[in-house]
Amino acid sequence: DAGVTQSPTHLIKTRGQHVTLRCSPISGHKSVSWYQQVLGQGPQFIFQYYEKEERGRGNFPDRFSARQFPNYSSELNVNALLLGDSALYLCASSLPLTEGLAIYEQYFGPGTRLTVT
Amino acid sequence: GIQVEQSPPDLILQEGANSTLRCNFSDSVNNLQWFHQNPWGQLINLFYIPSGTKQNGRLSATTVATERYSLLYISSSQTTDSGVYFCAVLTGTASKLTFGTGTRLQVTL
Repeated sequence: DAGVTQSPTHLIKTRGQHVTLRCSPISGHKSVSWYQQVLGQGPQFIFQYYEKEERGRGNFPDRFSARQFPNYSSELNVNALLLGDSALYLCASSLPLTEGLAIYEQYFGPGTRLTVT
Repeated sequence: GIQVEQSPPDLILQEGANSTLRCNFSDSVNNLQWFHQNPWGQLINLFYIPSGTKQNGRLSATTVATERYSLLYISSSQTTDSGVYFCAVLTGTASKLTFGTGTRLQVTL
């Protein structure tokens, strides 16, 4: 079975532009989460979507938004890019071990490396 | 929020050596995962281990939830084990994984 897929793999943008990153979860997984990893640090949580609804949001500005589609794939949008948005953006999918409870193993995609110049 | 600290921050081993990586967390957790991040950035699942002990080949992990720590054991290390090892925890009904500070492992010939 295919794992989590993300596109594009690399992206270079200019300050002030916007960007859309895409993620397809593992088949059968209904939850998608997004994380940002800047160089030298661990990933930081941005959003979680489950059954097409936002279930969690990290400490990121409103320039960051996301959505989940009926096929459970997801997009992360970032507006008005700043140099500090340069990072590896990781998508994770999961299948709840217990329906309705946020206790599940997450599987990560290869990431999209965003460079803002 | 919960604090997750890993030690040591950096580790250099010769091929064939054994090592123990530690993850301490400041609050009770519902989920704990260990990941290996390879040089290309891919996070590879090693263990899902909120409590108890698991083994997978040369790797094993133990989580003592009541004492708020987890250990990852690597035996007979190989150069392909190089990379950064993260533990990550999920607490309460929170939907996010909180990652530790990471241990950077380099295995030399």
